[in-house]
Amino acid sequence: AQKITQTQPGMFVQEKEAVTLDCTYDTSDQSYGLFWYKQPSSGEMIFLIYQGSYDEQNATEGRYSLNFQKARKSANLVISASQLGDSAMYFCAMREGQRDDKIIFGKGTRLHILP
Amino acid sequence: GAVVSQHPSWVICKSGTSVKIECRSLDFQATTMFWYRQFPKQSLMLMATSNEGSKATYEQGVEKDKFLINHASLTLSTLTVTSAHPEDSSFYICRDTGVNTEAFFGQGTRLTVV
Repeated sequence: AQKITQTQPGMFVQEKEAVTLDCTYDTSDQSYGLFWYKQPSSGEMIFLIYQGSYDEQNATEGRYSLNFQKARKSANLVISASQLGDSAMYFCAMREGQRDDKIIFGKGTRLHILP
Repeated sequence: GAVVSQHPSWVICKSGTSVKIECRSLDFQATTMFWYRQFPKQSLMLMATSNEGSKATYEQGVEKDKFLINHASLTLSTLTVTSAHPEDSSFYICRDTGVNTEAFFGQGTRLTVV
């Protein structure tokens, strides 16, 4: 079964609007970490934000915030005031427990910012 | 912060030849390196985990003899695609352990086998 689910293969958003990228996850571990990465056409993986399972507050990094709803196993990324440079592929990812350091990725969402 | 340097960034090779991709951790020692493959418009799939001084651990379905991983030093891990074929054409990217709240990726390598 998929552990990370991103249900939006593609999104089109007008510049300056806020956008929410959905991510749900599945784990039986109590300790885990959730990541969001941005991948532009160059291919590099740009770290955006991290949320630990025990973090009580939602993570924020500049224009990025993570809407963490633990009971629903949801970790949506919110980008405020979108910019043309935000157009890219976005991946939600999870690291489970302390057993190893594997990070597994969702299928991604292609975000297009319209001028 | 820590930086992972990966090269080459792109390579074109003839079918049947081997290609070596290097990932070097610049800021601190990476005892573990993770190798991913990404086909166009798809997600990153973990291929293998390499540990300094020991054999790599491969994910199910990944051919060990096709994708040779060497982690000879604390800072350098290499992936060699042996006897490459067009179906091996893909984007390969490495990642080190990083810190708990962040994982550092290399720049990635686009391999095209003709």
